[in-house]
Amino acid sequence: DAGVIQSPRHEVTEMGQEVTLRCKPISGHNSLFWYRQTMMRGLELLIYFNNNVPIDDSGMPEDRFSAKMPNASFSTLKIQPSEPRDSAVYFCASSSPAGQGVFYGYTFGSGTRLTVV
Amino acid sequence: GQNIDQPTEMTATEGAIVQINCTYQTSGFNGLFWYQQHAGEAPTFLSYNVLDGLEEKGRFSSFLSRSKGYSYLLLKELQMKDSASYLCAGGTNAGKSTFGDGTTLTVKP
Repeated sequence: DAGVIQSPRHEVTEMGQEVTLRCKPISGHNSLFWYRQTMMRGLELLIYFNNNVPIDDSGMPEDRFSAKMPNASFSTLKIQPSEPRDSAVYFCASSSPAGQGVFYGYTFGSGTRLTVV
Repeated sequence: GQNIDQPTEMTATEGAIVQINCTYQTSGFNGLFWYQQHAGEAPTFLSYNVLDGLEEKGRFSSFLSRSKGYSYLLLKELQMKDSASYLCAGGTNAGKSTFGDGTTLTVKP
């Protein structure tokens, strides 16, 4: 398995531009998570999906952020318009179904390093 | 709440043993994860505890006390490559995890 695949690895954009981050989870994993990591705030959960359905988007900072998961093998995180304070590493992670008290750790993608200038 | 606290930095010597502690508010968590993150890389899963006690995996062990809201990660026979950030994370039934800020471990020769 190629693991969780994210693209692009690096993105530099100007303030006000739209940014779309992409993620392909591991086949068979039914949960997908979008995290943002900065030095100041650590790893923050933005939104997560179970079986392609958004479950909790309370971590999405504001309406400029949106996420979709049209099918089990693809998700996007969009920022429109982007601002310098959005600069961070954005990680996508997926995990196997949890049940009967058994939990599985996340497998993280390599992340997208976003710089908004 | 689900606040997670762990030391910011630790230093240890190659070949030694180091214990990284993590405390958390018990409400809402059903288990405790540990992840390793090297600089510039993604976190990787190390261990998971759902019951009280010690889970051993080679050089790494993790302990959990649910009643005390306390966990630790024990690293034995430290190697230089163990220099990394170690993240404690609380998990819920829905599969969602809340991460601590991480402990940066520096292993010196």
